[in-house]
Amino acid sequence: GQQVMQIPQYQHVQEGEDFTTYCNSSTTLSNIQWYKQRPGGHPVFLIQLVKSGEVKKQKRLTFQFGEAKKNSSLHITATQTTDVGTYFCAGPAGGTSYGKLTFGQGTILTVHP
Amino acid sequence: EADIYQTPRYLVIGTGKKITLECSQTMGHDKMYWYQQDPGMELHLIHYSYGVNSTEKGDLSSESTVSRIRTEHFPLTLESARPSHTSQYLCASKSQGLHNEQFFGPGTRLTVL
Repeated sequence: GQQVMQIPQYQHVQEGEDFTTYCNSSTTLSNIQWYKQRPGGHPVFLIQLVKSGEVKKQKRLTFQFGEAKKNSSLHITATQTTDVGTYFCAGPAGGTSYGKLTFGQGTILTVHP
Repeated sequence: EADIYQTPRYLVIGTGKKITLECSQTMGHDKMYWYQQDPGMELHLIHYSYGVNSTEKGDLSSESTVSRIRTEHFPLTLESARPSHTSQYLCASKSQGLHNEQFFGPGTRLTVL
């Protein structure tokens, strides 16, 4: 079945450093979504990418969808302590999906002040 | 913030007890989902529903059952809880249409002693 792999599993940075997490799918995706889960919280939708090669920015966050629509990345510039959490990518599950998503394993980001 | 609610937020019970985790949303979403998530780990889909009286098992086998008698309500039941059921249970919903964004509830942290 479809697999969504995310690396790295953990990332520790000093405040002010940049951070990137990568997402790779075993199949071509119609779109990809990114979610953030704060420690002790629930996943919150960040963004959806649909077009091949698409790049979207949200303040210090830059999201990219690969040309082949099988990979994606999230880059945070100049991390802040408020960026702490787990970042998940998710792609539509294959077949008759009923809106199902396959989530990556997530990247846990810690930011040292 | 999305209007999706889960109760209880925390539950500690003994082995063999029957429990029901409640999930309600006021957005009129047709599709609803239950995920199981261990701390720091990925989300595993255990049940989903695409409308009233329709439920399906997810990718991760679970001993729990669900029902969808009303659009807004999607409870999850464990007939006989075991320590292996200790986890966080997240409920989510999604609207119709092209947007695949899922809205998550705050979760129920279940501990079975």
